[in-house]
Amino acid sequence: QSALTQPPSASGSPGQSVTISCTGTSSDVGGYNYVSWYQQYPGKAPKLMIYEVSKRPSGVPDRFSGSKSGNTASLTVSGLQAEDEADYYCSSYAGSNKVFGTGTKVTVL
Amino acid sequence: QVQLQQWGAGLLKPSETLSLTCAVYGGPFSGYFWSWIRQPPDKGLEWIGEINHSGRTNYNPSLKSRVIISGDTSKNQFSLKLSSVTAADTAVYYCARDRSGVAVLEYWGQGTLVTVSS
Repeated sequence: QSALTQPPSASGSPGQSVTISCTGTSSDVGGYNYVSWYQQYPGKAPKLMIYEVSKRPSGVPDRFSGSKSGNTASLTVSGLQAEDEADYYCSSYAGSNKVFGTGTKVTVL
Repeated sequence: QVQLQQWGAGLLKPSETLSLTCAVYGGPFSGYFWSWIRQPPDKGLEWIGEINHSGRTNYNPSLKSRVIISGDTSKNQFSLKLSSVTAADTAVYYCARDRSGVAVLEYWGQGTLVTVSS
């Protein structure tokens, strides 16, 4: 089971939008509508931001949105804020397994 | 509020067995999948495996031969054992609750750094 592919880094100025891609295969991302996204600050546990491609848990700002097309899922952060600077990981159900993405560091310029 | 608290040995020698336990507070053990995930220093997340309340387990194929995840419903706890560790197993290990077994990891433990060194 190979890791899902994410760009190593992404950046934007405050107020702008940034989109992170997560590319897998038909055995994971493309095969199920079970893609999640996690935010992680240094030294902290990840936090669930998006699940089932586009759903937001209670308490997550609506600036965070998710989508999927074919084998690629995306996370968009609109209206970037300084507190959004963190690492972001996608994850997908893959049958009886789960697989994470390689991670993307988002920098707020 | 659901909380996961984990503990276990933080320093191991090569060939030893890693052993971690995660206790669940503030919510039921039944009805969920309970996962272990690890993160090597300055690297990404890796799913290790999971167990549900009835004892059904799923493991990462790359670790399956060395991993055992068990649960104790009477104590609301689940555990990870990883045998024959090497330096490549050095990582922060997290326990987490998966809402429905489809990679919705909504609650996480605080993480435990396990270092493998001779």
